[in-house]
Amino acid sequence: KQEVTQIPAALSVPEGENLVLNCSFTDSAIYNLQWFRQDPGKGLTSLLLIQSSQREQTSGRLNASLDKSSGRSTLYIAASQPGDSATYLCALNNAGGTSYGKLTFGQGTILTVHP
Amino acid sequence: SAVISQKPSRDICQRGTSLTIQCQVDSQVTMMFWYRQQPGQSLTLIATANQGSEATYESGFVIDKFPISRPNLTFSTLTVSNMSPEDSSIYLCSGKKGANTGELFFGEGSRLTVL
Repeated sequence: KQEVTQIPAALSVPEGENLVLNCSFTDSAIYNLQWFRQDPGKGLTSLLLIQSSQREQTSGRLNASLDKSSGRSTLYIAASQPGDSATYLCALNNAGGTSYGKLTFGQGTILTVHP
Repeated sequence: SAVISQKPSRDICQRGTSLTIQCQVDSQVTMMFWYRQQPGQSLTLIATANQGSEATYESGFVIDKFPISRPNLTFSTLTVSNMSPEDSSIYLCSGKKGANTGELFFGEGSRLTVL
């Protein structure tokens, strides 16, 4: 059974810092890995999707890496801003086909960026 | 990204009643799913909504408690039946586009509070 752990559980940083969020998983036979952002009381916004054959993906100030052999992914946020404050969730899909929707989520990292 | 809209966005319900949540997606979405997020927890898949047939439920979720319909490609409903305070959660509709990327998109969620 896939287990996903995110460290740290919470992080508070001053504006402008570069930061790294960590995600580890127990079953490396993944189809893809997705990073989401969730604002309080809201739904999820997809940030980055990494296929199992890829090592990293970039979007603006965000960079996500994937190392299947060690069961780890990191989300790097450059030059953090107060608007980045949210919960960041890592989710894994262990199989394609009819199981496309079955994501296993981590508990999330609550990020606070203060001015 | 795909457009996924849900309603109601929030509701307060009495114990023993039932509530139906609606989800509308744009035409790019081919697969639809329902997730639950209990307070302070991460997301758990309830079921895959299948067009014109019975939904596929995950372990721990049953049709009598969470009946799901998907009468056409772009619309689905989730009913939470005979509610108790333990059903207080955010219920999220999600979808996958037709392209074979496996990326999932989520609606804004429906926050239910059961008194």
